[in-house]
Amino acid sequence: GNSVTQMEGPVTLSEEAFLTINCTYTATGYPSLFWYVQYPGEGLQLLLKATKADDKGSNKGFEATYRKETTSFHLEKGSVQVSDSAVYFCALSESIDMRFGAGTRLTVKP
Amino acid sequence: DAGVIQSPRHEVTEMGQEVTLRCKPISGHNSLFWYRQTMMRGLELLIYFNNNVPIDDSGMPEDRFSAKMPNASFSTLKIQPSEPRDSAVYFCASSGLGGNLVRNEQFFGPGTRLTVL
Repeated sequence: GNSVTQMEGPVTLSEEAFLTINCTYTATGYPSLFWYVQYPGEGLQLLLKATKADDKGSNKGFEATYRKETTSFHLEKGSVQVSDSAVYFCALSESIDMRFGAGTRLTVKP
Repeated sequence: DAGVIQSPRHEVTEMGQEVTLRCKPISGHNSLFWYRQTMMRGLELLIYFNNNVPIDDSGMPEDRFSAKMPNASFSTLKIQPSEPRDSAVYFCASSGLGGNLVRNEQFFGPGTRLTVL
């Protein structure tokens, strides 16, 4: 079945450091891929998405490229801020429902 | 748009009591999802509806849990009787499906934090 595996956290970085959170997926067809972010005390909100191979999703300085050859969708940001501290979820969807990864907690220290 | 609305935001109850969580999806969305989030298990899909019809309830933990969607603008998740291990944050999410089965993003509500004593 479809599934998503993302790197375990927690991840702790200093402000302005480079961020990578790895995500790989298993799918039977051609899924859409997503990154969601959850700030403390809130629900998940979409950060970025890509619907086909080689698409790059980007938002708020975050980027992820849909790599079919490596079945990956790694999240990157060149310079993180304290306000980026949150839990990040990788997800895929081939139809109506969505499969989420376990989440990676990011803490950015000043 | 008000987004997905959930109520109550916090619920504290005693073991054995009935708990009802409510969700109003985004207007025009035709799919609705109930999730549970805990530290131990992460985010779990409990059940989802499409056009008010339950499609997959395989994630519902046991018969104490039930969900309904009587119309396109309202859904409930009921736990009866509740147990301490049901303590979690329960999220409702909705999505709108495009005409060509476009895999649209899900929009999450703020969640209901349930504590069963």
